[in-house]
Amino acid sequence: DARVTQTPRHKVTEMGQEVTMRCQPILGHNTVFWYRQTMMQGLELLAYFRNRAPLDDSGMPKDRFSAEMPDATLATLKIQPSEPRDSAVYFCASQRFRFDTEAFFGQGTRLTVV
Amino acid sequence: KQEVTQIPAALSVPEGENLVLNCSFTDSAIYNLQWFRQDPGKGLTSLLLIQSSQREQTSGRLNASLDKSSGRSTLYIAASQPGDSATYLCAVRQGGSEKLVFGKGMKLTVNP
Repeated sequence: DARVTQTPRHKVTEMGQEVTMRCQPILGHNTVFWYRQTMMQGLELLAYFRNRAPLDDSGMPKDRFSAEMPDATLATLKIQPSEPRDSAVYFCASQRFRFDTEAFFGQGTRLTVV
Repeated sequence: KQEVTQIPAALSVPEGENLVLNCSFTDSAIYNLQWFRQDPGKGLTSLLLIQSSQREQTSGRLNASLDKSSGRSTLYIAASQPGDSATYLCAVRQGGSEKLVFGKGMKLTVNP
């Protein structure tokens, strides 16, 4: 059963600490997205990659957030330093490179920064 | 800038009712529209994908329609069940991009 896998599922950290979230996309999917979900803003796109190359990271605070794909099976989202306002659920999604295919989402990482 | 709206934000109905969930978008230049379901504390589960050239898609008790020119989509749920209780989100894939723009979702509660 192919699925997008995210780790960790939950993370509580202190303000100022570095946080790394990981995502394993579905095998064969070459487009990977990072979304953030909050009660106020809903789901917002942070960044996305096609064939491991970043295509759009305009939704990401550049001074503290970074996203990478070290290889085709791993995407990472890093926050350094973390702030309480970063508390949210972070979702990774993947799809085949075609506009007409579905995006599949992981279970999310619930981040709490205290 | 594309904006996606889902009204109402919440709906509570008795079991057995046929439901219509609404989604509207401001820019009709879309590739497709995808409906998702989200259970509390869980990820998003894809329900239906409807291409811009299609008028509707069906899966079991679910039927999604798309009127691109008027910027509207509806998700029809037949014979609702308590297990249908969840938040339903619609998202449009903007022309020229793979990224999805989401509505804020509609929280559905189906009471036994």
